[in-house]
Amino acid sequence: NAGVTQTPKFQVLKTGQSMTLQCAQDMNHNSMYWYRQDPGMGLRLIYYSASEGTTDKGEVPNGYNVSRLNKREFSLRLESAAPSQTSVYFCASRETGGQDFGDGTRLSIL
Amino acid sequence: AQSVSQHNHHVILSEAASLELGCNYSYGGTVNLFWYVQYPGQHLQLLLKYFSGDPLVKGIKGFEAEFIKSKFSFNLRKPSVQWSDTAEYFCAVNSWDTGRRALTFGSGTRLQVQP
Repeated sequence: NAGVTQTPKFQVLKTGQSMTLQCAQDMNHNSMYWYRQDPGMGLRLIYYSASEGTTDKGEVPNGYNVSRLNKREFSLRLESAAPSQTSVYFCASRETGGQDFGDGTRLSIL
Repeated sequence: AQSVSQHNHHVILSEAASLELGCNYSYGGTVNLFWYVQYPGQHLQLLLKYFSGDPLVKGIKGFEAEFIKSKFSFNLRKPSVQWSDTAEYFCAVNSWDTGRRALTFGSGTRLQVQP
């Protein structure tokens, strides 16, 4: 039982490049979330998906898109990366009883 | 919109000292409250949670928190900290009343325990 799995763990991009962060959970949870973590700001919600086929914006959605491919997978895409998107990105799943988090993706944009 | 405030940004304690980290939230309706811990280089792990019932909640690793509704607070406590408690601690709130299913996090408190 792997829980929440994120790939890649580290990535360096140049400004303007695109990439997709992958997230998968094997706990049969309906809800999945993408957060970004920046120093002194805690975690801020980018997008979430309450169930397969639905997605909603969080606090900081600009510059991102998401896809809930199926119940297991929820991907986050940066179409044109900007230095302000340098951050650690966490995927989470569950709805009640707290959320389970992946190990994070450390993304640097030069 | 709901918000969470953690007033202590960086706390330095010696081993065996007592710990209390403050957390206040802004939403007035029904809330679920959480404390998460993040050890260096790791993901967030749930320490404890409050949904309803006894306002004094006990979590893992000897941590506890008390929900005081009148003060909109959910402070984290530990009677005697250890070096291994060095980590960042996040308070979070979730409100079902607004239909919001995601968590709102505080900015975190970095705890440094000196041996």
